[in-house]
Amino acid sequence: DVVMTQTPVSLSVSLGGQVSISCRSSQSLVHNNGNTYLSWYLQKPGQSPQLLIYKVSNRFSGISDRFSGSGSGTDFTLKISRVEPDDLGVYYCGQGTQYPFTFGSGTKLEIK
Amino acid sequence: QVQLKETGPGLVQPTQTLSITCTVSGFSLTSYYMQWVRQTPGKGLEWMGFIRSGGSTEYNSEFKSRLSISRDTSKNQVFLKMNSLKTEDTGVYYCARETRGITDYWGQGVMVTVSS
Repeated sequence: DVVMTQTPVSLSVSLGGQVSISCRSSQSLVHNNGNTYLSWYLQKPGQSPQLLIYKVSNRFSGISDRFSGSGSGTDFTLKISRVEPDDLGVYYCGQGTQYPFTFGSGTKLEIK
Repeated sequence: QVQLKETGPGLVQPTQTLSITCTVSGFSLTSYYMQWVRQTPGKGLEWMGFIRSGGSTEYNSEFKSRLSISRDTSKNQVFLKMNSLKTEDTGVYYCARETRGITDYWGQGVMVTVSS
């Protein structure tokens, strides 16, 4: 199985600040079709995960441009700029390239 | 709009079978894959398996021997059945829509406690 390793486990940021979350996979996430199925999700307190970014860098419908994804192969990054109170929660990366699909263990974002 | 809602028992006894129904609206089950993902204190988010738009299934080998995913397209429902439950199966079970390796919409989840 592809192991997804996220760092840091938690981070605290001031409103208006910027943060980066790293996600590394144990194998390349480039699919045979050339696509890289790396997604980012946010799970707000008491809610189900919601899709933010898909295929490394594509923002899902309705997601603010304050969220951006980058990376390739096995190393990926989620950046959140101008952090707002509604951004708090746990961020997960997940891969859909190889069965079984797998997720990282999460990064908890707290607002200072 | 796209909506998914899971319904199921809150409490299941060890060794018994878990049955959860996911009712969807806003899209057709014959056009999308539907998957089950669970979230447990011990292992976090785990992909359990999915049923393809054509009706075939794919399972995580972690659950393969005791998991079954099926659907009723006329009722817009997807079903999860897992037998031989253990206390470690306690967690929140989500149904989610999948589009070519992208899990785009999730249900609200149903909390399942395995305890005698």
